[in-house]
Amino acid sequence: DAGVTQSPTHLIKTRGQQVTLRCSPKSGHDTVSWYQQALGQGPQFIFQYYEEEERQRGNFPDRFSGHQFPNYSSELNVNALLLGDSALYLCASSLGEWSTEAFFGQGTRLTVV
Amino acid sequence: AQKVTQAQTEISVVEKEDVTLDCVYETRDTTYYLFWYKQPPSGELVFLIRRNSFDEQNEISGRYSWNFQKSTSSFNFTITASQVVDSAVYFCALSAQGGSEKLVFGKGTKLTVNP
Repeated sequence: DAGVTQSPTHLIKTRGQQVTLRCSPKSGHDTVSWYQQALGQGPQFIFQYYEEEERQRGNFPDRFSGHQFPNYSSELNVNALLLGDSALYLCASSLGEWSTEAFFGQGTRLTVV
Repeated sequence: AQKVTQAQTEISVVEKEDVTLDCVYETRDTTYYLFWYKQPPSGELVFLIRRNSFDEQNEISGRYSWNFQKSTSSFNFTITASQVVDSAVYFCALSAQGGSEKLVFGKGTKLTVNP
């Protein structure tokens, strides 16, 4: 049974560019959350998707957007990249909005130069 | 606002020593949930435990134990007889909801267990 998978694992982008990160949830899970983890910090909640809608959002600018597909997979898009967007982006999946436990992927390491 | 403080940035111990990782939280919610996650170098966050605010009973799972004290807003994590494989960054987290969405994480404690 595949866990949460994220792609790509590493990415280097130039300031001002746009990036799309992808997440496939654990089999049977329908809820996806995204987190940003800067170096030496704890993860920070970006947003959550359930039933193809953004349900909750953290304190991130509109440059961060997302999407959830009918198969529950999700994308995180970041526009107009800044150097400060360099971080590990983690995807977590769970079953339902009020699940007991979230499973995390290994993340996508984004470097903005 | 919710906040989680892990005052210990880094801890280094020798194998077989016991080690306690501290976690202090702040919340105005009466119902909340506390979590511990382990993050090995691979980057994946591994779920260790979830406790709700109404259950202050301490829990033991193998070499791991957790001490939840509402009076001091603390949720400390102890590893008994530490092993090299325990080396990782450990995060304490807080959520106001029943699930793991919108988790508020501390900055983490890097534990190094030396042989």
